[in-house]
Amino acid sequence: ETGVTQSPTHLIKTRGQQVTLRCSSQSGHNTVSWYQQALGQGPQFIFQYYREEENGRGNLPPRFSGLQFPNYSSELNVNALELDDSALYLCASSLWNTEAFFGQGTRLTVV
Amino acid sequence: GIQVEQSPPDLILQEGANSTLRCNFSDSVNNLQWFHQNPWGQLINLFYIPSGTKQNGRLSATTVATERYSLLYISSSQTTDSGVYFCAVERGANDYKLSFGAGTTVTVRA
Repeated sequence: ETGVTQSPTHLIKTRGQQVTLRCSSQSGHNTVSWYQQALGQGPQFIFQYYREEENGRGNLPPRFSGLQFPNYSSELNVNALELDDSALYLCASSLWNTEAFFGQGTRLTVV
Repeated sequence: GIQVEQSPPDLILQEGANSTLRCNFSDSVNNLQWFHQNPWGQLINLFYIPSGTKQNGRLSATTVATERYSLLYISSSQTTDSGVYFCAVERGANDYKLSFGAGTTVTVRA
């Protein structure tokens, strides 16, 4: 059984660029959630996908968008990057409404 | 949304000491998890404990759902226990995101 994997692990982008982060969910899981963690804070919910449909969204702007694929892997896309988007981005997978398991995260730096 | 408060914010321990971390939440929850964040940022699952008591080695946790709090106990602490501990809750009832507390930073000194 493979765990949750994210790619890339680190990324440096320039303000205004676009970025795509990827997440492979744990085998058998059908729900993926994304979180943003700024330095020194707890993770904040971005959005959740269940069986390829968005199932809830936090307070980040529409520049943050996502997809879930038929194999339940997922992408997080961020357009028009801003300096404040620099953070650790965490992906979690679960079976619907059960224990969530996290990947190792992608550390994004916007310069 | 639901509020999650963790205390203390920081904890410094001598190796071998015991400690208790607390998590208070403002509404009834469907799910509660405790995590340890390693230095590389990954959240490691410690307990999935919406109610009751569980133990795993030197760690144990208790959630009293009716009183809206959970406790994480670390016994005989080791330097490898250092890091940030997060409590996260999920309300359920069409709200299935995890809401995190601000964390407790634990430093265990040899």
